[in-house]
Amino acid sequence: SQQGEEDPQALSIQEGENATMNCSYKTSINNLQWYRQNSGRGLVHLILIRSNEREKHSGRLRVTLDTSKKSSSLLITASRAADTASYFCAIETSGSRLTFGEGTQLTVNP
Amino acid sequence: EAQVTQNPRYLITVTGKKLTVTCSQNMNHEYMSWYRQDPGLGLRQIYYSMNVEVTDKGDVPEGYKVSRKEKRNFPLILESPSPNQTSLYFCASSPGTGLLGAPYSYNSPLHFGNGTRLTVT
Repeated sequence: SQQGEEDPQALSIQEGENATMNCSYKTSINNLQWYRQNSGRGLVHLILIRSNEREKHSGRLRVTLDTSKKSSSLLITASRAADTASYFCAIETSGSRLTFGEGTQLTVNP
Repeated sequence: EAQVTQNPRYLITVTGKKLTVTCSQNMNHEYMSWYRQDPGLGLRQIYYSMNVEVTDKGDVPEGYKVSRKEKRNFPLILESPSPNQTSLYFCASSPGTGLLGAPYSYNSPLHFGNGTRLTVT
């Protein structure tokens, strides 16, 4: 399968804690993207990291990419209740295909 | 406001009754795509289009048709819906590279619509 696989499937933390989600894949990629989805709504793009990049930051979000291990992680620091959502990684492979994993359901408890 | 607009938001229909889900984007994006989302299966691509009159199959195209006559619109057509097409559908668009002759690569994010929840009885 070319899709990314997120780990864990579900994560429950307290407000203020950090949340880390991982994505693994099996093929070579052009880039890897992280998206967020609130229940029943459309996905919203968070960060895109290209295959020649190792780390990117956006506000409280930090994404790392290790192409030798074919894995990426998304770190949300100082989480808030409003961060409760599903988080998806998507990998872009050659041939312009973008495939999504099944997501990690994050619950941040107040 | 830059957006991808899908209609309808909810749709209940019966087996075999043709339907169309519309998708429109106002960002002049070249690339558009349809996904379906099912529990335990994530998002799976149905069809995509790299530009006007250019469409191609995704991972699960059976039972669906699309057309791209104009850059802004990318309707999804179910000629004869069946219960296994009950799902949450998303349309998405992306700028594309705009580089003539270069291998197509996103390197730019997808913008998603708010989804269409379809139930086929």
